[in-house]
Amino acid sequence: EIVMTQSPATLSVSPGGRVTLSCRASQSISRNLAWYQQMPGQAPRLLIYGASTRAAAIPDRFTGSGSGTEFALTITSLQSEDSAVFYCQHYSEWPQTFGQGTKVEIK
Amino acid sequence: EVQLVESGGDLVQPGGSLRLSCAVSGFSVSNNYMSWVRQAPGKGLEWVSALYGGGNTYYRDSVKGRFTISRDNSMNTLYLQMNSLGADDTAVYFCARALYDTSGYYYDYWGQGTLVTVSS
Repeated sequence: EIVMTQSPATLSVSPGGRVTLSCRASQSISRNLAWYQQMPGQAPRLLIYGASTRAAAIPDRFTGSGSGTEFALTITSLQSEDSAVFYCQHYSEWPQTFGQGTKVEIK
Repeated sequence: EVQLVESGGDLVQPGGSLRLSCAVSGFSVSNNYMSWVRQAPGKGLEWVSALYGGGNTYYRDSVKGRFTISRDNSMNTLYLQMNSLGADDTAVYFCARALYDTSGYYYDYWGQGTLVTVSS
């Protein structure tokens, strides 16, 4: 199965700042990648699919990029409510797999 | 409004069985692709099983032969029958609706999850 590796494990950033989360696939997945945000105790929320298409109602502070094996999620103008764990997921083949997550903390 | 509400999670002994339910409103499970995704305590997300609108079912290797996904169209509910449970099955189980894109499926709607604990 395809292994998804996210980095870093944790990011700490000040309100108003900008972060870039990385997601690497163990083999090419074209642009078959989604990003999710999971706040503590809640279900994941879809942010991005197709590597760069924002889901409904997702603000343009969230931007996805990349293709092949290297992907990124950039979040700008960080707010306290952005504190969460972010996961990438490939859907290039069976089984779909998720990365281990990047925790974003707002100082 | 779309809602997915899981239930049925519980504490169960190793080797035991449990049936999870996911009651859906806002769309029909009969013509949507649905999945179960689980999350062990403090861990990441792991796809478990899927049910296509046409009725085809899929399972991750570790649950094949033990778990069965199904649906009741009249109740608009998705199920996951889990047998021969082991400690590794301890997790919050989410149901989710999937949308197709190019080569596979991503998840746009999720339930709040139900906790399954396997322990003696």
